[in-house]
Amino acid sequence: GAGVSQSPSNKVTEKGKDVELRCDPISGHTALYWYRQSLGQGLEFLIYFQGNSAPDKSGLPSDRFSAERTGGSVSTLTIQRTQQEDSAVYLCASSITSVGAYEQYFGPGTRLTVT
Amino acid sequence: TQLLEQSPQFLSIQEGENLTVYCNSSSVFSSLQWYRQEPGEGPVLLVTVVTGGEVKKLKRLTFQFGDARKDSSLHITAAQPGDTGLYLCAAGSNDYKLSFGAGTTVTVRA
Repeated sequence: GAGVSQSPSNKVTEKGKDVELRCDPISGHTALYWYRQSLGQGLEFLIYFQGNSAPDKSGLPSDRFSAERTGGSVSTLTIQRTQQEDSAVYLCASSITSVGAYEQYFGPGTRLTVT
Repeated sequence: TQLLEQSPQFLSIQEGENLTVYCNSSSVFSSLQWYRQEPGEGPVLLVTVVTGGEVKKLKRLTFQFGDARKDSSLHITAAQPGDTGLYLCAAGSNDYKLSFGAGTTVTVRA
């Protein structure tokens, strides 16, 4: 079946502009995660959605970052007034269950470059 | 959030050699996962271990979970160029979050 897809694959933007990153999870997966990966670093947790529950936004680095998930499926991560330090690969993952954070399936990521 | 330390950070070996990468923490994990990430791709799950002392084998890859569930190792026998990638360990606690290590970059030279 289809895996997690993300778009765009690459995004170059000017400092101060807003960007939207999209994630299509695997059909039927109720849990959705956003991570950020900087060069040479591990994955930094950003936000988590589970079903219709309120999202866990504890990993968002600033109020310039926000995310929503419509209809329990597609998710959009928005970064307002981008800064150069926002440059990274943004990864989305989905899971069939949130229990124990098992079996997360990742998309290919969006590489964001802020100039 | 649990802090995971992976070592070594970089590893370059010749095809046919063996290698081991380590993942350590001062905290107890409920589960631990190993992922491999290739350039331009997202991480791909290799294995999940949940029981202290557990050993799992996946072809030439052997994964071990420490008895105290604070550490894990990944051993690759007779490495091949296709094993090249970033190996990430990730720990689960009793909630839904995974904490990732910084990864070990493995390069296998033909």
